[in-house]
Amino acid sequence: DQQVKQNSPSLSVQEGRISILNCDYTNSMFDYFLWYKKYPAEGPTFLISISSIKDKNEDGRFTVFLNKSAKHLSLHIVPSQPGDSAVYFCAAKGGGGADGLTFGKGTHLIIQP
Amino acid sequence: GAGVSQTPSNKVTEKGKYVELRCDPISGHTALYWYRQSLGQGPEFLIYFQGTGAADDSGLPNDRFFAVRPEGSVSTLKIQRTERGDSAVYLCASSLGRGQETQYFGPGTRLLVL
Repeated sequence: DQQVKQNSPSLSVQEGRISILNCDYTNSMFDYFLWYKKYPAEGPTFLISISSIKDKNEDGRFTVFLNKSAKHLSLHIVPSQPGDSAVYFCAAKGGGGADGLTFGKGTHLIIQP
Repeated sequence: GAGVSQTPSNKVTEKGKYVELRCDPISGHTALYWYRQSLGQGPEFLIYFQGTGAADDSGLPNDRFFAVRPEGSVSTLKIQRTERGDSAVYLCASSLGRGQETQYFGPGTRLLVL
């Protein structure tokens, strides 16, 4: 069973507009969430994270929102730029003492000029 | 400073052979993680080291997989009697240690078992 779900395999957004990537989770014991960006043939690059005690974290063009009651988080990128085209992974930590991250399957973001 | 490095970047082997994959974490990072990423999937956790000891190996799929970190820095993931299903990208990540949650990933080793 997938504990972290990214239900959109791909998303196309026009340059300059807002990109919103969504992530749902099932394990209420997760206490830390991260977003990673991945280009082809490279390892995931850390973008932004949020602790379960917060509902928002912002870093430049990137903002992550956490809705614990809905077990949902989202990553907002504004304004979207061509270099943002990549696969974005949502990851969660905790979940009953596990030390590794649990990842979603990723969303391929395509920024159109 | 230097990030996480992994060697080799690509490895092709035949079914039944033994392979070793190496990871060099960020200097000063005491925690080291191995993940495996299959096509179309997110990375899946394999094993976690805190210092020299394997603190959590619950993600290792079977006893053909083994990892070591003898001096608390470089780690080697070892796969015996490789199978075609072992083909994947093997990712290594490191972090500062307990309480420091952000993991930084290397570029991965692409393993192909023929």
